[in-house]
Amino acid sequence: GAVVSQHPSWVICKSGTSVKIECRSLDFQATTMFWYRQFPKQSLMLMATSNEGSKATYEQGVEKDKFLINHASLTLSTLTVTSAHPEDSSFYICSARESLRHGYTFGSGTRLTVV
Amino acid sequence: AQTVTQSQPEMSVQEAETVTLSCTYDTSESDYYLFWYKQPPSRQMILVIRQEAYKQQNATENRFSVNFQKAAKSFSLKISDSQLGDAAMYFCAYLTGTASKLTFGTGTRLQVTL
Repeated sequence: GAVVSQHPSWVICKSGTSVKIECRSLDFQATTMFWYRQFPKQSLMLMATSNEGSKATYEQGVEKDKFLINHASLTLSTLTVTSAHPEDSSFYICSARESLRHGYTFGSGTRLTVV
Repeated sequence: AQTVTQSQPEMSVQEAETVTLSCTYDTSESDYYLFWYKQPPSRQMILVIRQEAYKQQNATENRFSVNFQKAAKSFSLKISDSQLGDAAMYFCAYLTGTASKLTFGTGTRLQVTL
C-alpha cells in the first residue's frame, strides 16, 4: 500500500527559530499533499494544500508567512514553521492521496515543542 | 459547505462485544466518498474502511462494517468482536469527487474494557 514518510517525528526548538518538517510519498507520486495541525483531543485541522510546482493554498486564518510550504518534487513537500513561538507547539501531520477511491495516506506526524 | 458530525465524544465497549459509532454528514453532492480513520495513541492515522456513495452495498473489512444510509446521510461504523487494540480515536471523513480536501468529524474516543 501507499506509504507516506514524515520527519522528524518530534522536535524541540527555541522560540524565534525555524523548524522544517518533511513529508515524502515513498512509492507513489503525489501532485498534491496536505498539511494538518492537531491540538490535543481534537480533530485534524487542515492548514494548507501543497501543490507540486506551484504555490500552496492556505486555509482561512492560517498565516502563510509563518507556515511556509514548498512542494518542489512529486514526492516531497516541506512545512517550515518560521520564527516559532510556544503557541505554535502542536502535532503536525501530512497526507497524500494515491488515488481518489483509496482516500488519503497519512504521515506519522511531528510533535513540535517550542520552548 | 460540507460538514461531518460525530455526536458521540466517547464510547466504551467490553472486549468481544460489538459497538457502533455514529456519523452524519451534510452535502449537496451526489458523487463522494466516506471513510473511517483510526488514530491510536501513537497518533498515526490508519484507514479503517471506505465507502463509495454510488455503491448501495455496505463496505466490510473483517470485523469492521458500515451502515451507509445515503438518503439519511448517515455512515455508522460497527466494530464486532472488539479487541483491546481497537481502543483509539475514530474519525469519520468525507471527500467529494470534485474536491480534494478531506473533511473530518470531531472524533469519537473508543475505550475497550476487559
